[in-house]
Formats: sequence, structure tokens, C-alpha cells
Amino acid sequence: NAGVMQNPRHLVRRRGQEARLRCSPMKGHSHVYWYRQLPEEGLKFMVYLQKENIIDESGMPKERFSAEFPKEGPSILRIQQVVRGDSAAYFCASSPGLAGVTGELFFGEGSRLTVL
Amino acid sequence: GENVEQHPSTLSVQEGDSAVIKCTYSDSASNYFPWYKQELGKGPQLIIDIRSNVGEKKDQRIAVTLNKTAKHFSLHITETQPEDSAVYFCAASSSSASKIIFGSGTRLSIRP
Repeated sequence: NAGVMQNPRHLVRRRGQEARLRCSPMKGHSHVYWYRQLPEEGLKFMVYLQKENIIDESGMPKERFSAEFPKEGPSILRIQQVVRGDSAAYFCASSPGLAGVTGELFFGEGSRLTVL
Repeated sequence: GENVEQHPSTLSVQEGDSAVIKCTYSDSASNYFPWYKQELGKGPQLIIDIRSNVGEKKDQRIAVTLNKTAKHFSLHITETQPEDSAVYFCAASSSSASKIIFGSGTRLSIRP
């Protein structure tokens, strides 16, 4: 049983470039969550998606950030025109249903973005 | 929206002693309180959770307590071992919420 798969594990970008982070949820899970973790800080909610739908993007910056979870393929978190402040670890988690109902979020190992 | 506060931010205990991490939450509708452990370079992993219909739950050396009136919940680790060294996060959510809100984390170090 493969867990949540994130790639790339490490990504280096120069200011102004684009970063694309991918997440394949656990088999059978249709709910995906993205969290951001700044160095020495906690997990900040960014966005919650189900297949083909963004359910809650209240934690996502209004500009430069977007997320999708297409019918086929992984969920993508896209950051355009990256700035140094975007440097962080981005974690994807999946669940079989609404997290507050079904319980456990299963996290991937994260994608660590460094902006030079 | 929900806000979760966690204390302390760092905690160092002697191997074999107990460790206690405390959290408070703001939304009275929250009814699900998980605890996650994050080891270096890894993603967080659920270690125990509690729902609001119980006040305490135990799993071997780990226990959680919940005081709904005070909006306060705690993690207790007894007989600590070196492998307990990690960052621990508390979190809160409700049945109708679309997300789980995490505390800021506690870095636990076990001294040999």
C-alpha cells in the first residue's frame, strides 16, 4: 500500500521562476490537503481539494498560488514568480473523507522549496 | 475560525521521565483533537486522537486528556525514550469543518 507520494522532494528555484509541486494521494482517498511549514514553525493550512473541485482555499495567498486536483493524475500546487519568502516545506495530506469526520490525515514526506 | 495554541515550544526531559504538552482551542464547535509526531525530514504522523465525547484516551505510554469546558487538551508521554524525540503537533477540527488546524508545535528532546 503506497502512502502519499510527493515530488519533487527538494526543489531549488530562482526568484521569479515557477514551482510546481505534485501530490498523489493514498489509493482510495479523494480528499487532498496542502499545508505549508516555514522553518521552525507549525503547519499552516493552505487549501483543501476533492477531485476536480477546490473546497476551501482560505489559507492560500490570493496571488501567485494556485492548486488543482484533476480527475486523472496528481494534485498540483503551483507557485508563480517565486520570492524568497516562499521557501518552506510544503506537505500534502490525504484522507478518505472530510478530515473532521473520518479522522486521520495521511501526510507525504513533503517538498522542500528553496528560493535563491 | 479555529485557532489552536500550543505550549511549550521546546521541552527537554530526562529519559524515563514524563512529558506533558498542552493546547487550547477557540472554536466551541470543535470535536476532534488529533496529535501528530514529526520526525526530522519526515511528514507528520498521527499518534493518537480524541473526540469530544470522551475525556481521556490511552495508548500504551501515550495519553490525551480533554476539557471541553476550558477548551483545553493535553498530551502525556510516560517513561520517555530516546525515540520519543521529535516535534509534536496538536490539532483541532469539527465535523463540519473542511480543515484541521494545527498548533505551532513542541520540539521534545529526551536527555540520556
